[in-house]
Amino acid sequence: ILNVEQSPQSLHVQEGDSTNFTCSFPSSNFYALHWYRWETAKSPEALFVMTLNGDEKKKGRISATLNTKEGYSYLYIKGSQPEDSATYLCAFVRPRDDKIIFGKGTRLHILP
Amino acid sequence: DAGVIQSPRHEVTEMGQEVTLRCKPISGHDYLFWYRQTMMRGLELLIYFNNNVPIDDSGMPEDRFSAKMPNASFSTLKIQPSEPRDSAVYFCASTQGRWGGSYEQYFGPGTRLTVT
Repeated sequence: ILNVEQSPQSLHVQEGDSTNFTCSFPSSNFYALHWYRWETAKSPEALFVMTLNGDEKKKGRISATLNTKEGYSYLYIKGSQPEDSATYLCAFVRPRDDKIIFGKGTRLHILP
Repeated sequence: DAGVIQSPRHEVTEMGQEVTLRCKPISGHDYLFWYRQTMMRGLELLIYFNNNVPIDDSGMPEDRFSAKMPNASFSTLKIQPSEPRDSAVYFCASTQGRWGGSYEQYFGPGTRLTVT
């Protein structure tokens, strides 16, 4: 993996169901990974900053895990609600120059 | 705090005109970032400042783009001359401390630029 990749690109989930999606990043030389939530017509809002292998962070019904050795992070949403509809971005901080590189995002649609 | 403030929120201009976008970071934040969001390329970092000093401008697309931060509470991104391909949403963000570590970035509402 040379870039930050997110999958799937788009996801439709029934209200009340739980879901998860993936961010993959270069596994050599890790520094930090950020998750952002981005609602349409608004600006990205920080969810988590993860720095240690095995990190697990939680904010309400949303949680994230980090595996730096294999180069992936999962974002989980438990019991999806309509207000969870948004694009979820991950961003990898490249160690050699501190540059932050964003993935293209996973667009989540919650169906009533 | 009011958060990161950007102005204008929308800008429509003709090709060849100069465009200036403005940003006021959160008070006390040491780092300021300028991003551009397009459908094709997603969210791209253009330049960032630490304590008003530009640290990395490698993301600035070409010489038509310039950014300044004359003091801790104000930054500008200027495009001269503007071209239709510059049409995008431009975000400013700020953070405190060494942002690459445990510090979140706080984004402004963005400026939607349309160049006709």
